[in-house]
Amino acid sequence: AQKITQTQPGMFVQEKEAVTLDCTYDTSDPSYGLFWYKQPSSGEMIFLIYQGSYDQQNATEGRYSLNFQKARKSANLVISASQLGDSAMYFCAMREPFSGGYNKLIFGAGTRLAVHP
Amino acid sequence: DAGVTQSPTHLIKTRGQQVTLRCSPKSGHDTVSWYQQALGQGPQFIFQYYEEEERQRGNFPDRFSGHQFPNYSSELNVNALLLGDSALYLCASTIRDPKTGEQFFGPGTRLTVL
Repeated sequence: AQKITQTQPGMFVQEKEAVTLDCTYDTSDPSYGLFWYKQPSSGEMIFLIYQGSYDQQNATEGRYSLNFQKARKSANLVISASQLGDSAMYFCAMREPFSGGYNKLIFGAGTRLAVHP
Repeated sequence: DAGVTQSPTHLIKTRGQQVTLRCSPKSGHDTVSWYQQALGQGPQFIFQYYEEEERQRGNFPDRFSGHQFPNYSSELNVNALLLGDSALYLCASTIRDPKTGEQFFGPGTRLTVL
């Protein structure tokens, strides 16, 4: 069965520094997608970045980049130049194999990031 | 362009009662999924609707049911509420067969069962 593991319950980073949030996944299917979402205290899940299993290059979106190591089944999120507004819960998620056009996301337990001034 | 909207924002119910949560998908989206997020945990998939039919279901009892309307909006119904049903309920919408499978989430409905 597919599974997402986030081993860091909480992380601290100084403002303007970079931080890496870890995510490992488990699946036996060669076709899958990996996502990172940000969840502020308001509760809304905000999409950050996506990596497909067949993508040749690591995904980047502004200050966010995904360090995709397929052999190690890891998809770590790197946030560069942290800002105070980055303080939030961060979830790694995996889209189940794309069968029939219906798909669900499997989420990890999340990492709470605190950015200090 | 309106994103995913959910109502109500907050809800307080007592054990044994029934509740209905509502979701309007992002414009152009035809597939709606519901997730339950207990405090301190990641979201758990409840079910997904497309063309007014339940297409996939997670490990949730039959007390959880849903509906999708012709305009793609959706409802989540929970019967015989238990204390353990207290959670943030998130609605997500997407297009069937999108390139990425990305799901846009609404702000959620926080349900408290007393």
